[in-house]
Amino acid sequence: ETGVTQSPTHLIKTRGQQVTLRCSSQSGHNTVSWYQQALGQGPQFIFQYYREEENGRGNFPPRFSGLQFPNYSSELNVNALELDDSALYLCASSLPGLAGDDEQFFGPGTRLTVL
Amino acid sequence: AQRVTQPEKLLSVFKGAPVELKCNYSYSGSPELFWYVQYSRQRLQLLLRHISRESIKGFTADLNKGETSFHLKKPFAQEEDSAMYYCALSGLSGNTPLVFGKGTRLSVIA
Repeated sequence: ETGVTQSPTHLIKTRGQQVTLRCSSQSGHNTVSWYQQALGQGPQFIFQYYREEENGRGNFPPRFSGLQFPNYSSELNVNALELDDSALYLCASSLPGLAGDDEQFFGPGTRLTVL
Repeated sequence: AQRVTQPEKLLSVFKGAPVELKCNYSYSGSPELFWYVQYSRQRLQLLLRHISRESIKGFTADLNKGETSFHLKKPFAQEEDSAMYYCALSGLSGNTPLVFGKGTRLSVIA
C-alpha cells in the first residue's frame, strides 16, 4: 500500500500564469480533498472530489479548479495566479465510511511561490 | 460559523513537565474533533480524534461541549514531542472537510 504523493515538490510562477498540481491518492481511496496552507496558518479547505465529481467547496474563487481521474489521482489547477496564492498546497485522500473510519491521509505538499 | 481557535502560537516546556495545548471551537451542531501533528520534515498526520477515545503517544484530549474545547494533554513531555500541532473539526457524516486552527508549535526543552 503506497501513501499519498504530490508533484512537483515546489515550483515558482509569475503573477498571471496558470499552474497544475498533481496528487496520487492512497491505494483504494476514492475521495481527495485539497487544502491551501499559507505561511503561519492552518490548512484551509479548497474543495473535495468524490468519485470524479466535486463534492464540496470552500471559500475559493472559480479560478481554483480541479479534476479527479478514474484511478482517483487528481489535479488542482489555478488560473491567473496572484501573489497571495503563494502557499503550501496539500492533498488528502480518504475512503468514507463509518464515523471514525474515514481518516484523511495527507501528502507532503507542493510549495508554490508566485512572484 | 465553523471556527477553530488555538490561542498559543508557541508553547515551550521542559522535558518531563506536563503539556496542555489549548483548542476552542465554534460549530452549529455536533462536530468531530481531531488533533493533527507535523514533525519536522514530515507530513501532516492524525494524532487522535475524540470519537475513538484513544491515547496516542501518551496524549489525550477530552471533548468539553459546555466549554466548546478539545485541549490536548500529556502528563510528561518528551523531546520527541516537539512539533507543530493543529486542532481541527469536521461534521460527523463522512466526507465533510476539515476546518483547522492556526496551529501551536510545541518545543520541549531538554
